[in-house]
Amino acid sequence: QSVLTQPPSASGTPGQRVTISCSGSSSNIGSNTVNWYQQLPGTAPKLLIYNNNQRPSGVPDRFSGSKSDTSASLAISGLQSDDEANYYCAAWNDSLNGPVFGGGTKLTVL
Amino acid sequence: QVQLVQSGAEVKKPGASVKVSCKTSGHTFTAYYVHWVRQAPGQGLEYMGWINPDSGDTSFVEKFQGWGTMTRDTSINTVYMELSRLTSDDTAVYFCARADTGDTAFHIWGQGTMVTVSS
Repeated sequence: QSVLTQPPSASGTPGQRVTISCSGSSSNIGSNTVNWYQQLPGTAPKLLIYNNNQRPSGVPDRFSGSKSDTSASLAISGLQSDDEANYYCAAWNDSLNGPVFGGGTKLTVL
Repeated sequence: QVQLVQSGAEVKKPGASVKVSCKTSGHTFTAYYVHWVRQAPGQGLEYMGWINPDSGDTSFVEKFQGWGTMTRDTSINTVYMELSRLTSDDTAVYFCARADTGDTAFHIWGQGTMVTVSS
């Protein structure tokens, strides 16, 4: 059971906008920044969003992040077939002295 | 460019130990902490701990304290993560990862090392 709560699945059609939620607590999201990772099957996670809403170089601006209190969201606009992947949120947890992750959301492009 | 290259897959028997390596290149080895994250088959990501390659200081989260060890060899820019007393629950892909200075996000990841524990 993951410390951060994400919906197990999400879906959309090409061109649509989808959002994935991530819920935590005051000891993680509430007091630290949120990061999002994209993981394709059989590969290492790739950083998608850091510091709540910053995109690393090379990540399209179709991906955006936001945070409010103890929750965060990842939005993907202009959905494409190669966006099909698992998405994980993460935030540093003060009591763990390390990051905690969500359980992951499997995104399907219909 | 910055790369983290891990050692190959391992198959171990219950009760054995495993040592996974993570060789860094493209950056100053001693300037960035290296973190370890594991992922059991079909499961999510689980944080394990970090090593400071400069000082050798390490920190495992509570779950892994007492049976996990992290070391480094500065002569070959490589860090190691060793787990002892393996059980089938330790079957997972083990990733090393690097955060930028002052950042908690893992910008660079190794390719992962599959560790299978089976009798």
